[in-house]
Amino acid sequence: DAGVIQSPRHEVTEMGQEVTLRCKPISGHDYLFWYRQTMMRGLELLIYFNNNVPIDDSGMPEDRFSAKMPNASFSTLKIQPSEPRDSAVYFCASSSGEQFFGPGTRLTVL
Amino acid sequence: GNSVTQMEGPVTLSEEAFLTINCTYTATGYPSLFWYVQYPGEGLQLLLKATKADDKGSNKGFEATYRKETTSFHLEKGSVQVSDSAVYFCALAVYGGSQGNLIFGKGTKLSVKP
Repeated sequence: DAGVIQSPRHEVTEMGQEVTLRCKPISGHDYLFWYRQTMMRGLELLIYFNNNVPIDDSGMPEDRFSAKMPNASFSTLKIQPSEPRDSAVYFCASSSGEQFFGPGTRLTVL
Repeated sequence: GNSVTQMEGPVTLSEEAFLTINCTYTATGYPSLFWYVQYPGEGLQLLLKATKADDKGSNKGFEATYRKETTSFHLEKGSVQVSDSAVYFCALAVYGGSQGNLIFGKGTKLSVKP
């Protein structure tokens, strides 16, 4: 199995632009998680899905952030409009027991 | 609430030294406890876990014992290698399994010098 796949690996954008991060979970996993990692705040859970349904989005920082999971093999995290404080590494993880993390997307908002 | 506190790094050791990274937790109920490792440029990987009190998780020479009386899950390794250089995260699962919300500590960076 290829593991959890995230794209892009790096994204540089300007403030105010829309950013879409993508994740393909491991086949057969029924949970999907989005995390954000920064030096200041560490690793934070943003939202997670079970069987494509959002279960807990209390970690989503504000309305500029949205996440979808249209099917079992794809999820997106969108930031619109982006701000410099959104700069971070964003991880997707999937699970049917143990959580497996993707390699992350490093987002830089100028 | 539920939280994890781990020792701040960075920790710098010489090869073959003994490693301890402290982790304590606060939780309602009976959480499962985990150590994850993050190598440079990669995502987190599960290193070991323990699901109940007095359980010992072990993997790749690393060990941690679930101590309910001290609410601790300290990570140890008897002889570290340069290849162990990474960031280590202690975490707990509030629903007793990793399907639910994993709460992570801030991470401890370990550097091992030859």
